[in-house]
Amino acid sequence: GAGVSQSPRYKVTKRGQDVALRCDPISGHVSLYWYRQALGQGPEFLTYFNYEAQQDKSGLPNDRFSAERPEGSISTLTIQRTEQRDSAMYRCASSLAITGEQYFGPGTRLTVT
Amino acid sequence: AQKVTQAQTEISVVEKEDVTLDCVYETRDTTYYLFWYKQPPSGELVFLIRRNSFDEQNEISGRYSWNFQKSTSSFNFTITASQVVDSAVYFCALRSNYGGSQGNLIFGKGTKLSVKP
Repeated sequence: GAGVSQSPRYKVTKRGQDVALRCDPISGHVSLYWYRQALGQGPEFLTYFNYEAQQDKSGLPNDRFSAERPEGSISTLTIQRTEQRDSAMYRCASSLAITGEQYFGPGTRLTVT
Repeated sequence: AQKVTQAQTEISVVEKEDVTLDCVYETRDTTYYLFWYKQPPSGELVFLIRRNSFDEQNEISGRYSWNFQKSTSSFNFTITASQVVDSAVYFCALRSNYGGSQGNLIFGKGTKLSVKP
């Protein structure tokens, strides 16, 4: 079946603009996760959902970052008033259950100029 | 604290050599999961294996094998008879319930493996 998809794949935005990154998980997967990966580093956790409930947002760097998953499927990660330090690869993953293996999407490469 | 350490930043081998990628983890939890992911040059993250803390049996999948040792908090990954297509960055990751977090993976910094023909 289809894997995790993310859009857009690339996003270039000017400092101060808001951006919305979308994640479409594998059908039937209960849990959805957002990570950020800097160049040469492993992914760093941002937040995750079980169904539509946001269970943990301890990894969100500050209040400019927010995420939602209103119907328990597609999720949106929003960054308000972007800054250059927000430039990174943003990855979404989903798993069948909280204890299951996480399958990652291709990521959105965000560049803030 | 929860932490994953991959001490080898880069490894270079010649095709058909065996290579072992090291992973050492820290957690105070008694129930946890360990993972390996592969990130080829194309950039995607590919799931390789999940292991729970109660299962210390080693696992073999084709040319890949994993050695989990709780006594040394290690979960090492060996590729036998390496091939050029194995060239990638390999990440080890930990998931545990310590500190109330239940979902997220904690990744190591990765080991870049280059297999030369």
